[in-house]
Amino acid sequence: QITVKESGPTLVKPTQTLTLTCTFSGFSLSTSGVSLGWIRQPPGKALEWLALIFWDGDKRYSPSLKSRLTITKDTSGNQVILTMTNMDPVDTATYYCAQGSAFGELYYWGQGTLVTVSS
Amino acid sequence: QSVLTQPPSASGTPGQRVTISCSGSSSNIGNNFVYWYQQLPGTAPKLLIYRDNQRPSGVPDRFSGSKSGTSASLAISGLRSEDEADYYCATWDDSLSGYVFGAGTKVTVL
Repeated sequence: QITVKESGPTLVKPTQTLTLTCTFSGFSLSTSGVSLGWIRQPPGKALEWLALIFWDGDKRYSPSLKSRLTITKDTSGNQVILTMTNMDPVDTATYYCAQGSAFGELYYWGQGTLVTVSS
Repeated sequence: QSVLTQPPSASGTPGQRVTISCSGSSSNIGNNFVYWYQQLPGTAPKLLIYRDNQRPSGVPDRFSGSKSGTSASLAISGLRSEDEADYYCATWDDSLSGYVFGAGTKVTVL
C-alpha cells in the first residue's frame, strides 16, 4: 500500500524559507520509473506544479519558481524535502506531494498541508 | 494564465453526458501524454485518466479521455451527483521543461 504524507510549518513569515517534508511508504524512489512531485493550490485557486524528482536523481522545477525551489531526497530513502526561499503572502497555499511515474502521471497524493504566509 | 485552456464550468443533469475540453499546443498536448485529475470539494486531487485515455484501477468506465492534435477531452457519461468536482487536465510542456495544469473546470450536477 502506497502512502505519502506532507509535513511542515503551518505558518511562516514573509522572507523566511519554507521547508516541507514528504514522507512516503510502499515504494522506493530508487526504483526505475518512479518520481515524486510537489504541487500547490492557493485557496480557491487552481493547482500549480512546483517540482519533480526522478528515481535517477534528475530534478525539474517550475520555470517561474526555479530560483526559489530546491527538491532533495533524504538519505533515509523515504523522504523528499522541498525548500522554498523568500516566502511571500501570495505563496499561501495547500502544498501537496504526489508519487508518480517517469511519464508524468501523479498517482498517489498526500492529503496536503496548508501553509500560511503572514507576519 | 495557464498554457492549457479549460472552460471554467460545465453542468448537466443526472444521467447526461458532459464533456470538458483542454486546449494546448504542440509543445505540450501535441507531443506528450495528457492526464486528468478529479478534485472533490475539500479533498486532494485524484488521478482520473492517464496517458490520454487510460483509467486507473477503480475509476468507473463512465469517465473517458481522448486526444486529437493539440486538444484533449474528458467525457463523463451517466452523470451522477457525486461527480460534482473540479477537473484538471495536465501534461508535460517541452518548452517550459515542466509539468503544467489547466485552470480547472467546475462540474455541477443540476
